[in-house]
Parts: sequence; C-alpha cells; structure tokens
Amino acid sequence: DAEITQSPRHKITETGRQVTLACHQTWNHNNMFWYRQDLGHGLRLIHYSYGVQDTNKGEVSDGYSVSRSNTEDLPLTLESAASSQTSVYFCASSEDSGSRRNEQFFGPGTRLTVL
Amino acid sequence: DAKTTQPTSMDCAEGRAANLPCNHSTISGNEYVYWYRQIHSQGPQYIIHGLKNNETNEMASLIITEDRKSSTLILPHATLRDTAVYYCIVRPYNAGNMLTFGGGTRLMVKP
Repeated sequence: DAEITQSPRHKITETGRQVTLACHQTWNHNNMFWYRQDLGHGLRLIHYSYGVQDTNKGEVSDGYSVSRSNTEDLPLTLESAASSQTSVYFCASSEDSGSRRNEQFFGPGTRLTVL
Repeated sequence: DAKTTQPTSMDCAEGRAANLPCNHSTISGNEYVYWYRQIHSQGPQYIIHGLKNNETNEMASLIITEDRKSSTLILPHATLRDTAVYYCIVRPYNAGNMLTFGGGTRLMVKP
C-alpha cells in the first residue's frame, strides 16, 4: 500500500547543530508539505513543493530549508537548530492542484527537541 | 484574521451524534469548507469537504447553511475512537492545495 513515512520519529539535538528530517511518500504525489505543530496549537506551514526542483516558503520558513530532487522525498533541514524549533513536525503530500478533493495525506510526525 | 471560528472543546456521549459547528462568515464564493481531524499525536486525517451542498460519506456528514457562513460536521454515532481535535478549514479552489489550520475543536467522546 502507498504510504508516507517520516524519520526519525524522535530526535534530540543541541542548539546550533544542523538537523535534517526525512519525508518519503510512495503515492507519487507531486505536492509535498512540511508543517510544525507546537503544543496545544494547530499546524503551521513551513515549506511546500509542487514538484521536482520546486520549493516555496510557507508561513514560518525562517531557519528552515527544503530541497526536492525527486518526487518521493522532501527533506527538511534546520540550518542551525534553535530551542524555538522544538516542535512536532508533520510531512504531507497530495495530488496535483487541479484535484478538487485536495486531500492531504500526513505522515506520523517527528518529535524534535532542541536543547 | 482567522477565517474560521470553532468552539475550543466539546463533549459527546458515546453512541450519540456529535455536531461540531464552524463559523466562516467571510467565506468567498470559490472557497470550499474542509474538515480534518487529528487523533492524539497522529497526523491529521481528511474527513469531508463541500462547497454549498450537504455532503455525506462513510465517516461523517457536512451541513452547510444556505448563506454558506457556517457549517456543521456531524458524526452520526460517535465512538471513543472519535475523540480528537477537529479542524474546519476554508480553502479557495485555486489555492494550490494549501491548507491553513486554526485551533480546532477538541471533541471528547465519553462512555
């Protein structure tokens, strides 16, 4: 069955380190998204991509970067981790923009702690 | 400005219908109403969406008022597994699949 996976599921790192969170989907979706969710709040969009070599900034993109070298993967990099980036990170994918249903399929999340 | 307004929390008895309201008084003509839910610690899950007609699927029903300024998600026979945060999202048709999540409603289904 097609799925979307994230790794690692849990990560503890130190302030100033570079961290990369992986996201892999087998839906063959062109659209992929990264969100963060802080305790007790809704999801906020970090970056998104509509296809290979395409990346776009979301609402809270400062301190994060993404790259899209193939359809299946959209890794999220924290260039220099800060304590304010402690959060749960969700990756999602969806069909092309022309799809009226716009169902986004979400991964299980990565819980990141920056000490 | 928030595009949707939902109650922070609601309770429902197991086996009863859960009716979750959402206000979207500034909705535009080309905007759809989407509902997602997030069970504890999991990624959000799509439930249903609609434009102006009522919709029903295997999970829920969506009732949209005639003026489209509010809607209600109905879980006909709530179970303990329906305990989750429910998000009402308004999305333009041509928004490139963008979803903007608000705070949602925390539904607690009680035995």
